[in-house]
Amino acid sequence: DGGITQSPKYLFRKEGQNVTLSCEQNLNHDAMYWYRQDPGQGLRLIYYSQIVNDFQKGDIAEGYSVSREKKESFPLTVTSAQKNPTAFYLCASSLRGEGSNQPQHFGDGTRLSIL
Amino acid sequence: AQSVTQLDSHVSVSEGTPVLLRCNYSSSYSPSLFWYVQHPNKGLQLLLKYTSAATLVKGINGFEAEFKKSETSFHLTKPSAHMSDAAEYFCVVSEGNSGYALNFGKGTSLLVTP
Repeated sequence: DGGITQSPKYLFRKEGQNVTLSCEQNLNHDAMYWYRQDPGQGLRLIYYSQIVNDFQKGDIAEGYSVSREKKESFPLTVTSAQKNPTAFYLCASSLRGEGSNQPQHFGDGTRLSIL
Repeated sequence: AQSVTQLDSHVSVSEGTPVLLRCNYSSSYSPSLFWYVQHPNKGLQLLLKYTSAATLVKGINGFEAEFKKSETSFHLTKPSAHMSDAAEYFCVVSEGNSGYALNFGKGTSLLVTP
């Protein structure tokens, strides 16, 4: 089945540590996205990528980094500069097409907590 | 600029009764509008989308939504709630000139009681 796979499902970070969240899709989508979800706040965009080797900052990019070396993969690194990383992280992908009217398909998320 | 407001943070209905989840939006351009559903500890699943075709949009699992430009609303409805409908629902707006950016509402938690 085609879809988006996020791993791990749960992740714990120590103070001062960088951690990387994995996102892989086999939908042949060009565009991929990372969102952060906090209780009662909906989803906020961290980074997005429309094509391989290119990505743009979203609304809350500080303390995060991404790479897009392959079409299928869009890993997110939560750096030690992100002082409040505890959240549910969701990866999504979509066709490029007309952009705004393309629905996004989501993975099942990674829950990150601080030790 | 675009924004979306979900008017209720929590809605509770009895099984078998109608569901109404309210969403208002603001947009400078012709928007695309979506409703997504999220079950606990899961990703978001697309219920339906409006992209300037028919104003009444039918989605999965018996849900539908009506785009009303004069009221800037896109309310989600279902004639008869099922226990499995209990979840978080997000109204989402996207504008053509904002590239790929989606603007999410803060969500409405739907509780279905027996």
